[in-house]
Amino acid sequence: QKEVEQNSGPLSVPEGAIASLNCTYSDRGSQSFFWYRQYSGKSPELIMSIYSNGDKEDGRFTAQLNKASQYVSLLIRDSQPSDSATYLCAVNGWDTGFQKLVFGTGTRLLVSP
Amino acid sequence: DAMVIQNPRYQVTQFGKPVTLSCSQTLNHNVMYWYQQKSSQAPKLLFHYYDKDFNNEADTPDNFQSRRPNTSFCFLDIRSPGLGDAAMYLCATSRDLGLAGGQNEQFFGPGTRLTVL
Repeated sequence: QKEVEQNSGPLSVPEGAIASLNCTYSDRGSQSFFWYRQYSGKSPELIMSIYSNGDKEDGRFTAQLNKASQYVSLLIRDSQPSDSATYLCAVNGWDTGFQKLVFGTGTRLLVSP
Repeated sequence: DAMVIQNPRYQVTQFGKPVTLSCSQTLNHNVMYWYQQKSSQAPKLLFHYYDKDFNNEADTPDNFQSRRPNTSFCFLDIRSPGLGDAAMYLCATSRDLGLAGGQNEQFFGPGTRLTVL
């Protein structure tokens, strides 16, 4: 079973700091990588997708992908209390025929005022 | 706004009493997925439809069935709910499968919270 691993946290950061969330995956053939934000009791919300090595920035969010190291990260700059949520990493890989996402169990982020 | 809608948002049923959850989408996406998510766990894919082609996950119990009568609607039927089926049920859609560059981004509906008494 191919896996996506995340530290469950909680990751605690003060308001205004940079939060760094990390994810590793085992399927070397993976080609699509996603970060979802999930507030407690709510459904996952897509916040970033990345398909090639390097950085992709969208507002306060930056996704970083390193396929050689099988590592994808999400940076949240100027963290706000409203960013407190669970962040799910999801990967779409070769071994599933690219037909489904494999999710990590998520990292819980707590941003304190 | 284009969106994924799930009804009902909360469903209470009795042990063994069949229940149907519905999902509709205005995104005109080809693929619709059903996930089960329990507390502090990752979403677990139950099955998906690519257009009318149904794909069942190997470990999805026979108790779970699905129907997609048209592009916009998809239903999850739980024939005899057990206490272990209490969970959030998530519907998601994507434009396509497999292709990168945004075609396989999955968008989730708000979910249906199922309680089994």
